[in-house]
Amino acid sequence: SAVISQKPSRDICQRGTSLTIQCQVDSQVTMMFWYRQQPGQSLTLIATANQGSEATYESGFVIDKFPISRPNLTFSTLTVSNMSPEDSSIYLCSVEEYGPADTQYFGPGTRLTVL
Amino acid sequence: AQKVTQAQTEISVVEKEDVTLDCVYETRDTTYYLFWYKQPPSGELVFLIRRNSFDEQNEISGRYSWNFQKSTSSFNFTITASQVVDSAVYFCALIPSNFGNEKLTFGTGTRLTIIP
Repeated sequence: SAVISQKPSRDICQRGTSLTIQCQVDSQVTMMFWYRQQPGQSLTLIATANQGSEATYESGFVIDKFPISRPNLTFSTLTVSNMSPEDSSIYLCSVEEYGPADTQYFGPGTRLTVL
Repeated sequence: AQKVTQAQTEISVVEKEDVTLDCVYETRDTTYYLFWYKQPPSGELVFLIRRNSFDEQNEISGRYSWNFQKSTSSFNFTITASQVVDSAVYFCALIPSNFGNEKLTFGTGTRLTIIP
């Protein structure tokens, strides 16, 4: 399976600032996803990031708040803008691999705390 | 729309006991995939198994086994002879077979604590 890394692994930020999270994959993948996991909750899909086109956002998430870049087939970034304490969550990227076992694999996550 | 229900919010068992985590799903798609993921305290989501809707064979991998029953829309996960390292949150998930529009629907997770 693909090896996925995320930076930073964790951060503590001040209200009103922005943080950019990086996701790097060791192989080329078509589809990358960004999820949010609020404390004690399940995972919620923020958006699908496709190379060469704009990200597709889920209901309740907007590009101004969560801009996403996908410059190539191995890299994506998610920015959490104008942060508030409600943005404190784990943010995970995932990639989908096709083949005998089409599966989404997840990165290690970025644990964000907003003060 | 899809829905995945994990009714057990938290389970605690003593080490070496067997434990079963329940997962019930709803979907209108005839072809779909079911998954289990493990999330240890570190936060990473670890893939455990993928099962397609046409394959109702039970699967065993070491101490882990999965029971897929289409008739009851369930995909339960059993850990035999549990160990402390099994302590984690376990998520069941479903995705329809609609290539190009795949979205994983997660259950709310079951927090499993293995007591030494």
